Amino acid sequence: AQSVTQLGSHVSVSEGALVLLRCNYSSSVPPYLFWYVQYPNQGLQLLLKYTTGATLVKGINGFEAEFKKSETSFHLTKPSAHMSDAAEYFCAVSEGTGGFKTIFGAGTRLFVKA
Amino acid sequence: EAGVTQFPSHSVIEKGQTVTLRCDPISGHDNLYWYRRVMGKEIKFLLHFVKESKQDESGMPNNRFLAERTGGTYSTLKVQPAELEDSGVYFCASSPAGVGIQYFGAGTRLSVL
Repeated sequence: AQSVTQLGSHVSVSEGALVLLRCNYSSSVPPYLFWYVQYPNQGLQLLLKYTTGATLVKGINGFEAEFKKSETSFHLTKPSAHMSDAAEYFCAVSEGTGGFKTIFGAGTRLFVKA
Repeated sequence: EAGVTQFPSHSVIEKGQTVTLRCDPISGHDNLYWYRRVMGKEIKFLLHFVKESKQDESGMPNNRFLAERTGGTYSTLKVQPAELEDSGVYFCASSPAGVGIQYFGAGTRLSVL
């Protein structure tokens, strides 16, 4: 069975500092991995995805994530936090493209201090 | 192009009442999913439609929940009778056939008092 663990339900950083949100997964098959963001009163928005190929994935708003199979990790980073990055972030895993349910982590709420 | 839309955005009902949530997927998307997030916990899969057929309903909590997808277009999720533990945010998502990205709606926040 697949599962996702996000380390830290809340992360606080200063504006301009590095953002690091941790995600570990388990999957019995090659996983498809996703990061979603939810801004207040909005739906889930896809930040980036890993399916196959290059293990460093770049997404929107300056975020990127690296798939490390040996560590079963898919951590999300951004070099310099902006106030507008304050939101809740969800790591997710799926067995494949389309047609398969997605398993989500519990979410990490990111706070950005001025 | 319109995104996934969900109605209502917020519903407050009393225990024992019935509520129906609606989801309009992106036009042409064969796959439609329902998910639920209860009180700050993880978002959990409820079920998956391919066109009008239920492909996977392994996440439906119990028989008080009934999902339909008429003609492979919009979908409804009915809770009857609602219980306190049904409170949460219900998300709908859709995707085209063979594409690994699911597009999510803004969710319906259900409060059962």
